[in-house]
Amino acid sequence: NAGVTQTPKFQVLKTGQSMTLQCAQDMNHEYMSWYRQDPGMGLRLIHYSVGAGITDQGEVPNGYNVSRSTTEDFPLRLLSAAPSQTSVYFCASSDRGAGETQYFGPGTRLLVL
Amino acid sequence: AQTVTQSQPEMSVQEAETVTLSCTYDTSENNYYLFWYKQPPSRQMILVIRQEAYKQQNATENRFSVNFQKAAKSFSLKISDSQLGDTAMYFCAFFHTSGTYKYIFGTGTRLKVLA
Repeated sequence: NAGVTQTPKFQVLKTGQSMTLQCAQDMNHEYMSWYRQDPGMGLRLIHYSVGAGITDQGEVPNGYNVSRSTTEDFPLRLLSAAPSQTSVYFCASSDRGAGETQYFGPGTRLLVL
Repeated sequence: AQTVTQSQPEMSVQEAETVTLSCTYDTSENNYYLFWYKQPPSRQMILVIRQEAYKQQNATENRFSVNFQKAAKSFSLKISDSQLGDTAMYFCAFFHTSGTYKYIFGTGTRLKVLA
């Protein structure tokens, strides 16, 4: 199993550009989530999904969209990037009712100029 | 709303010594999970240990153990026989098993193990 994969590893955007951060898992996990990590602020939940077709907002959802058309994939879209979205983004997945342990991807470092 | 507090931004410990990282949380719920994750310089998040709130026995994984005080809402991590490879950021996290179904993370403690 590859676990949780994220692409790209690093991206530079200009203000106003759009992009999609990809996340995929091959463990058939129902729950998937996106976090951003900023210095001194830990991991903050952006959006999460409890299954295909079901998504909900986390703590910091503004400026981000998600969809969950399949169990495996959970892309995060930035429609109009802003410098405040410069961060490291992590995708994670977990199996409901199986200890709830989250498995994380390697992260995507995003720089918005 | 649930919150997780890690009051020690940075700590250091001598190799082979023992160190305890503190974590407190706030919730009105009775059923939940607590986690400690490690993030080494590679940035990969790694599960260290997990505790189910309904279990009174403290979880243990090799050199890592927790002191879970449910009434005090405290969940500290003890690392025994510290090794250089333990140098990392450590995050405490809370997960409620029903309702909002969100993981809440603390701000982290940066641990440095000194040779």
